[in-house]
Amino acid sequence: GAVVSQHPSWVICKSGTSVKIECRSLDFQATTMFWYRQFPKQSLMLMATSNEGSKATYEQGVEKDKFLINHASLTLSTLTVTSAHPEDSSFYICSASEIRAGGPADTQYFGPGTRLTVL
Amino acid sequence: AQSVTQLGSHVSVSEGALVLLRCNYSSSVPPYLFWYVQYPNQGLQLLLKYTSAATLVKGINGFEAEFKKSETSFHLTKPSAHMSDAAEYFCAVSGRTGNQFYFGTGTSLTVIP
Repeated sequence: GAVVSQHPSWVICKSGTSVKIECRSLDFQATTMFWYRQFPKQSLMLMATSNEGSKATYEQGVEKDKFLINHASLTLSTLTVTSAHPEDSSFYICSASEIRAGGPADTQYFGPGTRLTVL
Repeated sequence: AQSVTQLGSHVSVSEGALVLLRCNYSSSVPPYLFWYVQYPNQGLQLLLKYTSAATLVKGINGFEAEFKKSETSFHLTKPSAHMSDAAEYFCAVSGRTGNQFYFGTGTSLTVIP
C-alpha cells in the first residue's frame, strides 16, 4: 500500500514553455502533499506544501508564480513550472501524507520523481 | 524547529561488513525520525521510522536504527552489507504538529566487493 506515482517520469522542454507534473496517491487519501527539488548529489529541498482545497504554502525563496501548485483532490496534486529556463532543470519529487483516523499523519510516501531538462 | 545532521557524506564498507550511518537530530518537540533510501534516478523509499514506540526500530532489508534521546541520535545500522545496499541514504525529522519533513544532506554508501 501507500503508493505515490508521478507523471511524467522524464520531460524535456524548450526554454520558455510550461511543464506540468502530476503527483497521485494511488491507494490512499492524502490531505497534504509536498513538492521537493533535488539537485545532483544533493539532498531534497522542500519547495512547497500543498493542502487539498487550499493554497499551497511555499518555502522561502521559492517563486510561487513560477511554480504553480494545485491540489484539486485528495489524490492529486500538480506542479506547473511556468516559463521554464535551463536553471529549472532538476529532479522534482513529490510526497504525500496518509490520513489516519485519530492521529496525525506521520509518514511521507514519495513518488519516483520527475526529471526535468530545459533546453 | 527541527533539523538533522548526517555525519559523513560518503561511507564505504566491504561486503559483509557492518554498516553504520550516523544521524543526529535537533528538535524542540518529541520528534518523528525516518531513514529513507534513494537509488539512482528514483524517488525515496522508507526504510524505517521512529514514532515514540520502541526505541530500537527494525526496518526493511535488514536495517535497524536506535533512537537515543540522550545523544539526540538515530543512527542506521545493518550487520552485514550487501552489494545491493549501495545507494544514497537520507535521515529526516518531523515534528508532531505538522507534516513537514527536514532532510539531512544524505550519505552515499558504497559497498566494496
